[in-house]
Amino acid sequence: EPEVTQTPSHQVTQMGQEVILRCVPISNHLYFYWYRQILGQKVEFLVSFYNNEISEKSEIFDDQFSVERPDGSNFTLKIRSTKLEDSAMYFCASSVEAGGSEFFGPGTRLTVL
Amino acid sequence: KNEVEQSPQNLTAQEGEFITINCSYSVGISALHWLQQHPGGGIVSLFMLSSGKKKHGRLIATINIQEKHSSLHITASHPRDSAVYICAVTNTGNQFYFGTGTSLTVIP
Repeated sequence: EPEVTQTPSHQVTQMGQEVILRCVPISNHLYFYWYRQILGQKVEFLVSFYNNEISEKSEIFDDQFSVERPDGSNFTLKIRSTKLEDSAMYFCASSVEAGGSEFFGPGTRLTVL
Repeated sequence: KNEVEQSPQNLTAQEGEFITINCSYSVGISALHWLQQHPGGGIVSLFMLSSGKKKHGRLIATINIQEKHSSLHITASHPRDSAVYICAVTNTGNQFYFGTGTSLTVIP
């Protein structure tokens, strides 16, 4: 069964460093998403991506964040200069259509020290 | 202000019980999603619906657009149903809003 994969499963970084979180969506999906979940809090939407551009983004997704689909399979989330409050679980998801059933990756736990 | 409210926050049930989790939302939506988050953190999409009712195995999801309310029902609950159930909506601008989740524990 096709699945969304994410790497790494856990990333530890120093405050101020850049991190890139990687996702491989399901191959025939066209819409891609990033979410985050700070420990003990609810899931928050970050950004949606379609046709090689951002289609929606939340207030959280400021200039420190960027997304890219560098090739036909990967979908990345970059945080330019990490802050302590960026520590969270980051989930990637993909869907065939906008607002459709999403398939979630297992998440990357980011710890900023 | 939460665009999506869920109740109850926590729920404990005996195996075999019928369970209902409720979700109310305050924005205009294009779709409502029910998600399941396992203790390990993984998230699984259970349902996406914009009207009526959907059934998958022992799970049933309903939505009332006029009342801005959805329910997730689990029939014949089982300990393996123990998880956090999250209601999420996409508004007409395709923004996502998440509820805080309902933590379900089913006791054998």
